[in-house]
Amino acid sequence: GAGVSQTPSNKVTEKGKYVELRCDPISGHTALYWYRQSLGQGPEFLIYFQGTGAADDSGLPNDRFFAVRPEGSVSTLKIQRTERGDSAVYLCASSLAGGYTEAFFGQGTRLTVV
Amino acid sequence: SQQGEEDPQALSIQEGENATMNCSYKTSINNLQWYRQNSGRGLVHLILIRSNEREKHSGRLRVTLDTSKKSSSLLITASRAADTASYFCATDPGGGADGLTFGKGTHLIIQP
Repeated sequence: GAGVSQTPSNKVTEKGKYVELRCDPISGHTALYWYRQSLGQGPEFLIYFQGTGAADDSGLPNDRFFAVRPEGSVSTLKIQRTERGDSAVYLCASSLAGGYTEAFFGQGTRLTVV
Repeated sequence: SQQGEEDPQALSIQEGENATMNCSYKTSINNLQWYRQNSGRGLVHLILIRSNEREKHSGRLRVTLDTSKKSSSLLITASRAADTASYFCATDPGGGADGLTFGKGTHLIIQP
């Protein structure tokens, strides 16, 4: 597809479970970002990849959150031991290069922890 | 943490009127971007203004940037019902930091 694709679009999980959220960026985009958005708030930065490496993971809230991008394309955000406070929409974005350039966002994954 | 603060938090106007939203931020920036979000899901990039620019236009959109006041405004002229959405400003701090910092957004409602 032409845009950023995120799967699943919705995920309901029980407290304490492990979840993986997937992001397929636009082909050729080297920069990939994960954001988290709670109801009524703006997106909050989690992590930025340039190619395969995490250039900035300062936004990850704690060590239960981890993200990978092994081949410099698809990325997976992994959340261990989920808590109810993790419930939010997780947004992925990609751009041609980091900074100064337009970021294209996916439709997000709505995660609900019950 | 969120740097940008949009003002107002909500705005309701009649179709055809102009809508103005403001954004204030705290630290120095490389550029500032405005995004639109429908129904709480994907964001759409509207316009990017660099720190050395003061005004930029794109169709019915006009963005201003005042770095001395650390503020920006987004003007939508001749509003349409389809403009109903949430609008966010996002700052790119540069200086080695990555990732945009978003405000809480302005929810704009255009009454037909």
